[in-house]
Amino acid sequence: AQSVTQPDIHITVSEGASLELRCNYSYGATPYLFWYVQSPGQGLQLLLKYFSGDTLVQGIKGFEAEFKRSQSSFNLRKPSVHWSDAAEYFCAVGLNDMRFGAGTRLTVKP
Amino acid sequence: ETGVTQSPTHLIKTRGQQVTLRCSSQSGHNTVSWYQQALGQGPQFIFQYYREEENGRGNFPPRFSGLQFPNYSSELNVNALELDDSALYLCASTVAGRTNEKLFFGSGTQLSVL
Repeated sequence: AQSVTQPDIHITVSEGASLELRCNYSYGATPYLFWYVQSPGQGLQLLLKYFSGDTLVQGIKGFEAEFKRSQSSFNLRKPSVHWSDAAEYFCAVGLNDMRFGAGTRLTVKP
Repeated sequence: ETGVTQSPTHLIKTRGQQVTLRCSSQSGHNTVSWYQQALGQGPQFIFQYYREEENGRGNFPPRFSGLQFPNYSSELNVNALELDDSALYLCASTVAGRTNEKLFFGSGTQLSVL
């Protein structure tokens, strides 16, 4: 069965610092992988997705993620965090019956 | 703006009651999925409808049911509400078979069961 693990429940970084959010997946075939962001009381906004091809994926708002099949990982990165990036981040696997991780809450210190 | 609209935005019910949540998708989106997001958790897949028929279901009891209509609207019905049903309910739509098509999420309905 497909599943996603986000090991970090809460991460705090300083504004301008780099960010990496971890995601590990379990999937029987080539996975469809996603990162979504959710601000309080809002729905989910897609940051980026990986279906096939180049394993380094560029997304919106300066985010990127790297698919590593050998490690079953799809970590999200950003070189310089902005205060507006504070939100909940979800990794997901699958397509229409998407399975989400429990999320990582990002706090940005001034 | 995702083009997916959910109503109502907030709802308060009491235990044992029934509730209907509504979702309006983009024209042409023949697949709609519903998710339950409990406080502090990731969304959990409830079920998916494709061309008005259920096409996949997560680990939810039969008192969770749905309908999809030809006009790209859909409903989630929950009978015999329990306190643990309190959550944000999200619908998401797409076009089945188009693997490059992303899933479009609505902003959700916040259901509180007292």
